[in-house]
Amino acid sequence: GQNIDQPTEMTATEGAIVQINCTYQTSGFNGLFWYQQHAGEAPTFLSYNVLDGLEEKGRFSSFLSRSKGYSYLLLKELQMKDSASYLCALAPGSYIPTFGRGTSLIVHP
Amino acid sequence: EAGVAQSPRYKIIEKRQSVAFWCNPISGHATLYWYQQILGQGPKLLIQFQNNGVVDDSQLPKDRFSAERLKGVDSTLKIQPAKLEDSAVYLCASSLDSPGAYEQYFGPGTRLTVT
Repeated sequence: GQNIDQPTEMTATEGAIVQINCTYQTSGFNGLFWYQQHAGEAPTFLSYNVLDGLEEKGRFSSFLSRSKGYSYLLLKELQMKDSASYLCALAPGSYIPTFGRGTSLIVHP
Repeated sequence: EAGVAQSPRYKIIEKRQSVAFWCNPISGHATLYWYQQILGQGPKLLIQFQNNGVVDDSQLPKDRFSAERLKGVDSTLKIQPAKLEDSAVYLCASSLDSPGAYEQYFGPGTRLTVT
């Protein structure tokens, strides 16, 4: 089985940097996803990490450490529109994500 | 390119009634998924189709849920009879069927309320 743990809620200030952590316990997986989900909307793909290390994509970066069972999503230059739920998900044996509960990020002025 | 389409967007039914949801994936996407997302939780996979064949339905409550994708394009998900705990958003997603095609594209979802 898999166990994914993320903080339930985080708050941050517009223009700041925030790091959303995800720890997991699993017997094996292909890769780790991050999805963004605005309230009342469908999840949208942010990143997929297979190898250890940091992958940067504009204001968003995602990091994976398989040995530590740990990932994080880094959001820079926060904007109000970044207020959303951020879902960490593992792909166990294929590309199908098994989602955690998600972290609700609130960005305030 | 058009995204994943779902209908209806909202549905309210009483327990023990039946309901059906429809999904039209992105053109050319061979793989289609149905997820259930209960409020405050992440989406949970119910069933995965590749073309018109079922790849994984291990988490589908088969005593009350059924899904089909007869022509390998559109899909329907049915619940019969519904229970209160079925209240959730039902998300349809699709992806390409090619190596490395890991990105899933989600539809807007159908919000089901069972009273």
